Amino acid sequence: GIQVEQSPPDLILQEGANSTLRCNFSDSVNNLQWFHQNPWGQLINLFYIPSGTKQNGRLSATTVATERYSLLYISSSQTTDSGVYFCAHSGGYNKLIFGAGTRLAVHP
Amino acid sequence: NAGVTQTPKFQVLKTGQSMTLQCAQDMNHEYMSWYRQDPGMGLRLIHYSVGAGITDQGEVPNGYNVSRSTTEDFPLRLLSAAPSQTSVYFCASSRGLLDGYTFGSGTRLTVV
Repeated sequence: GIQVEQSPPDLILQEGANSTLRCNFSDSVNNLQWFHQNPWGQLINLFYIPSGTKQNGRLSATTVATERYSLLYISSSQTTDSGVYFCAHSGGYNKLIFGAGTRLAVHP
Repeated sequence: NAGVTQTPKFQVLKTGQSMTLQCAQDMNHEYMSWYRQDPGMGLRLIHYSVGAGITDQGEVPNGYNVSRSTTEDFPLRLLSAAPSQTSVYFCASSRGLLDGYTFGSGTRLTVV
């Protein structure tokens, strides 16, 4: 199957800093999505982004499907951004395949 | 609009017991699926459904059954609980192939 690699695996930021999380995939993927799992375990869909760029507040994401990667940008990070960020792609029947995640800790 | 609702939030079972994890969505989504999340293993697909009456196996289906009698509900049954099934279980739904997923809040299951 298609491999999904996320980097970095861990990230520590000071509040207010910016960061970029990366997701590489080994082949063309459908329906790339970014999720945030907060410290309470809840999984929140941040972006559905098969290609192009989207922005939502301090977060934005870019997928370059032809080069098989996607980036998640977090600007002016806040402590509430802490948690694990997953990218995932779906197979033919919307079976999400997740990357291993980037664990983010934002300190005040 | 409740989204995806999972019950219970926490459950402790004894080895060999059976139980059903409930999942309901009110968004009229066709696609529903169950995942388990284990430390170091990420999220793995257990079973999924592309519509009422249609289900299929994911990566780790052994020990679990599902059915989809209505669009709204997609229960997950543990037939005979084993300690290896201790995990956090998530239900998810999506309108279709080209849409994002909505996840439930999870069920934390411990089998002793």
